[in-house]
Amino acid sequence: GEDVEQSLFLSVREGDSSVINCTYTDSSSTYLYWYKQEPGAGLQLLTYIFSNMDMKQDQRLTVLLNKKDKHLSLRIADTQTGDSAIYFCAVYNNNDMRFGAGTRLTVKP
Amino acid sequence: EAGVTQFPSHSVIEKGQTVTLRCDPISGHDNLYWYRRVMGKEIKFLLHFVKESKQDESGMPNNRFLAERTGGTYSTLKVQPAELEDSGVYFCASSHSSSYNEQFFGPGTRLTVL
Repeated sequence: GEDVEQSLFLSVREGDSSVINCTYTDSSSTYLYWYKQEPGAGLQLLTYIFSNMDMKQDQRLTVLLNKKDKHLSLRIADTQTGDSAIYFCAVYNNNDMRFGAGTRLTVKP
Repeated sequence: EAGVTQFPSHSVIEKGQTVTLRCDPISGHDNLYWYRRVMGKEIKFLLHFVKESKQDESGMPNNRFLAERTGGTYSTLKVQPAELEDSGVYFCASSHSSSYNEQFFGPGTRLTVL
């Protein structure tokens, strides 16, 4: 399989929570990132987590890392229409950054 | 402070032609990266400059791709001759020298080869 895998699509209703999942293969990854890409724009770093952490919370965003299962998730609380975008999971180790294919999040009013 | 800029935003060329993409990193960022996203798949690493030197070019697909960063400022990525499978979005990113390696991305250049 690919180095970093994500489901391609997620649709939620405004106000609900969104959970975007990612699995990766490199257990030596030191930093794990979530990037957001809005239409016509570049990738914007949303949040990141060090590999020695289990969880990181930043306002509406919660990142969970399960190193044993090599699983990373991004939870967006109270999802808004402005959260509609493509979300990329990325893992970094020794100057090597690997991205997933991106999850397109659609938020319905 | 200006972010990473890329030019052009879109390019449509015919198979066999040459295209040159340009990236201007954030001022003061020594690290410059090129990535490519083909057909909605994962974003793949192409190469990494540290100043004007190629630190890692292991992701370059073949010798039709040539990247330069003369003077350690802006970078160009030339595809010659372009093939159909080169179509995709080419992203540039830059970062300051630090172990954290937060990469700031440009908006990308969408290349279509007909």
